[in-house]
Amino acid sequence: DQQVKQNSPSLSVQEGRISILNCDYTNSMFDYFLWYKKYPAEGPTFLISISSIKDKNEDGRFTVFLNKSAKHLSLHIVPSQPGDSAVYFCAASAKRTGFQKLVFGTGTRLLVSP
Amino acid sequence: NAGVTQTPKFQVLKTGQSMTLQCAQDMNHNSMYWYRQDPGMGLRLIYYSASEGTTDKGEVPNGYNVSRLNKREFSLRLESAAPSQTSVYFCASCLAGGLEGEQFFGPGTRLTVL
Repeated sequence: DQQVKQNSPSLSVQEGRISILNCDYTNSMFDYFLWYKKYPAEGPTFLISISSIKDKNEDGRFTVFLNKSAKHLSLHIVPSQPGDSAVYFCAASAKRTGFQKLVFGTGTRLLVSP
Repeated sequence: NAGVTQTPKFQVLKTGQSMTLQCAQDMNHNSMYWYRQDPGMGLRLIYYSASEGTTDKGEVPNGYNVSRLNKREFSLRLESAAPSQTSVYFCASCLAGGLEGEQFFGPGTRLTVL
């Protein structure tokens, strides 16, 4: 049972345009969400996070939106750059566990073309 | 600051062989984790250590054991490797393991079991 779902395995965008990566979750106990970026042959690197008490968090070109009622979050990258080409994972954790145990989605491969 | 380091980078085993994957972090983090990444499955938590001296099972612990040797090091052992354990293994660490905060990942170990 996939508690965190990324339904788009891949996304292609032109340089300078907006990239929107989506993530859905089923567990209503999740209250902290993160996005990680992964390049080939490297470990994931943290990108941005959001707590369930917020609906938006911004960091430079990256913005994460959280819609709790829809159990949906999205990552917006504006403007997209070729260096953003990577696999993006969303992850979630629940406060009730008392400890950060992340549940990851399956990832979306973003390709930004010049 | 090396961050999170993992050894080896690559390993090929025969079914039934044993091996230990090593992980060390130099960020004085309290919490450490082992994940595996399989195609189409995202990252799945194998074991974690909330603090030195404690370890707990994650989502997919069968076939693995762990040791939190000290605050810096967290090893993952396969006692009798099986082809189903062919995967990329990532170690991660987190400052406090509390609900919020990012996990830092190592570069991964690519394991093939024949």
